[in-house]
Amino acid sequence: DTGVSQDPRHKITKRGQNVTFRCDPISEHNRLYWYRQTLGQGPEFLTYFQNEAQLEKSRLLSDRFSAERPKGSFSTLEIQRTEQGDSAMYLCASSPSLVGRTGELFFGEGSRLTVL
Amino acid sequence: GESVGLHLPTLSVQEGDNSIINCAYSNSASDYFIWYKQESGKGPQFIIDIRSNMDKRQGQRVTVLLNKTVKHLSLQIAATQPGDSAVYFCAEEYSGGGADGLTFGKGTHLIIQP
Repeated sequence: DTGVSQDPRHKITKRGQNVTFRCDPISEHNRLYWYRQTLGQGPEFLTYFQNEAQLEKSRLLSDRFSAERPKGSFSTLEIQRTEQGDSAMYLCASSPSLVGRTGELFFGEGSRLTVL
Repeated sequence: GESVGLHLPTLSVQEGDNSIINCAYSNSASDYFIWYKQESGKGPQFIIDIRSNMDKRQGQRVTVLLNKTVKHLSLQIAATQPGDSAVYFCAEEYSGGGADGLTFGKGTHLIIQP
């Protein structure tokens, strides 16, 4: 399967713990996005990378959230000191777009986080 | 407030009938629109897109209509099949908003009745 893959698919953690999600985008895609989706809502933008550079961050991305894409390939999203409000589906998407608009995003199946 | 809105949380249609899913947007500067389909437990999947210089675009069994006058977007699915059951999201983008400019609505849950 050459689509976007995310790991783990499900994570249950206790409040205050740190969690890390990994995303492997489609290999030839330059852009990588992180979105958050809560039940009954559409995805909300968190951040995106153009190759290894993190170019945009949403106001939703508090100081407890950090994302990296060290070699311009896979990316990690870490949440420190998790809170119950962090419970959501974390979606990764990639795009071949180089310039301008976001365009078509290819989403992974998401990592569902439950904070107890 | 939201710039892309949900106007019918659940739509139930008979198998074989046509489905029409509606979406309104409030940012008149938005110039690119996408429909995504999300099946339970999966990530959103691209269906069709349309730029603001068009008012209609057709794909396989799907048609997107854009009415810029009333800022309305619709997705028509012909001959609805059980596999069309999913949540459908419209998303809009303003090209001047940078690459993070894709804003999703809340979605419409399409239910197919046998």
